[in-house]
Amino acid sequence: AQSVTQLDSHVSVSEGTPVLLRCNYSSSYSPSLFWYVQHPNKGLQLLLKYTSAATLVKGINGFEAEFKKSETSFHLTKPSAHMSDAAEYFCVVSELTGGGNKLTFGTGTQLKVEL
Amino acid sequence: SQTIHQWPATLVQPVGSPLSLECTVEGTSNPNLYWYRQAAGRGLQLLFYSVGIGQISSEVPQNLSASRPQDRQFILSSKKLLLSDSGFYLCAWSYRGNQPQHFGDGTRLSIL
Repeated sequence: AQSVTQLDSHVSVSEGTPVLLRCNYSSSYSPSLFWYVQHPNKGLQLLLKYTSAATLVKGINGFEAEFKKSETSFHLTKPSAHMSDAAEYFCVVSELTGGGNKLTFGTGTQLKVEL
Repeated sequence: SQTIHQWPATLVQPVGSPLSLECTVEGTSNPNLYWYRQAAGRGLQLLFYSVGIGQISSEVPQNLSASRPQDRQFILSSKKLLLSDSGFYLCAWSYRGNQPQHFGDGTRLSIL
């Protein structure tokens, strides 16, 4: 069985400072991992994905994440936060099943960006 | 490019009334399709997924059902809504394999 733990339910940063959202996973197989962002009353938007290629993955809006197998982590980072980054972020592990794939979501990290 | 549409965006229904939420995908063929529910302050719960027309897998027992009458159409239904059915319903699609899912903008369902 696979699982995801997002270590912080809320993170607050100042605009222009770095962002770090932490995620640890558990999976029986070589996992595919994703980060999604959700703005209020909107669907989830894919930020980036890891599917067993390069361990440092670059995504949209300046975000990136590093897959560390030894630490079972997939933390999301951004060098400089912008006000528009304020949203909820979900770390997700994916598992193949019956022709489709099942996503297991973390409980989310609410990112607040202050002036 | 591929797009996914959900409607309505918001819906207020009385307890015991029926429900039909529709989701359509454009720009791709034979996608995997998914219905999720997101309750306030909680994560996403997978309700149903489909790998083809007429093929529905249910993840949780409940009074909801899903149907896929056409390749790119996915419908979530209920004959009688319960208060506990309130939430934010999201439809998603993906390619075959271990690929990310792409989400619609959701339907906010309130049961009175």
